[in-house]
Amino acid sequence: AQSVTQLGSHVSVSEGALVLLRCNYSSSVPPYLFWYVQYPNQGLQLLLKYTSAATLVKGINGFEAEFKKSETSFHLTKPSAHMSDAAEYFCAVSVDYGGTSYGKLTFGQGTILTVHP
Amino acid sequence: GAGVSQSPSNKVTEKGKDVELRCDPISGHTALYWYRQRLGQGLEFLIYFQGNSAPDKSGLPSDRFSAERTGESVSTLTIQRTQQEDSAVYLCASSSDRGKRGNQPQHFGDGTRLSIL
Repeated sequence: AQSVTQLGSHVSVSEGALVLLRCNYSSSVPPYLFWYVQYPNQGLQLLLKYTSAATLVKGINGFEAEFKKSETSFHLTKPSAHMSDAAEYFCAVSVDYGGTSYGKLTFGQGTILTVHP
Repeated sequence: GAGVSQSPSNKVTEKGKDVELRCDPISGHTALYWYRQRLGQGLEFLIYFQGNSAPDKSGLPSDRFSAERTGESVSTLTIQRTQQEDSAVYLCASSSDRGKRGNQPQHFGDGTRLSIL
């Protein structure tokens, strides 16, 4: 079975600083990896996805993530934080067991990002 | 186009009552998922529907939980004899993942916030 670990339940940065949110996964087969963002009282919005193409994935709002198989990681970064980036971020994994995975996502516990002026 | 729609957005009910939550997926999306998000926790998979195939109910926490879906349209999640531990946000998602491979992103509704008194 697959699993996801997000290191750090809370991350605080200053506006304009680098954002780094960590995600490590465990899977017996090549995974599909996703980052979602959740604003208060809203559902989850897809930021970016890795589905076995390029290992460096660019998403919306200036975010990107790099798939590193050797480190089983998929960390999310943004060069310069904006106040509007304050939200909760979830890393998720799904796997394909030859068409039987059904695509259900396994989520990390989430990381709350706070951006200070 | 329209996104995933969930109703009601908020539901408060007394312990022991039955509740029914509704999800309208994105038109044309054959895959539909229900997740539960408890306060301060990540999302837990509940159930998955794919077209006319038998649903994957492996995430349902007890036999008080059930869900139905008519074809590729609306789904309802029913919780019978509600307990206080059922208090959570229930999120619905849909995707175009016809191949059951899990590489298509899921699109989430804003959720139903369920409070059991």
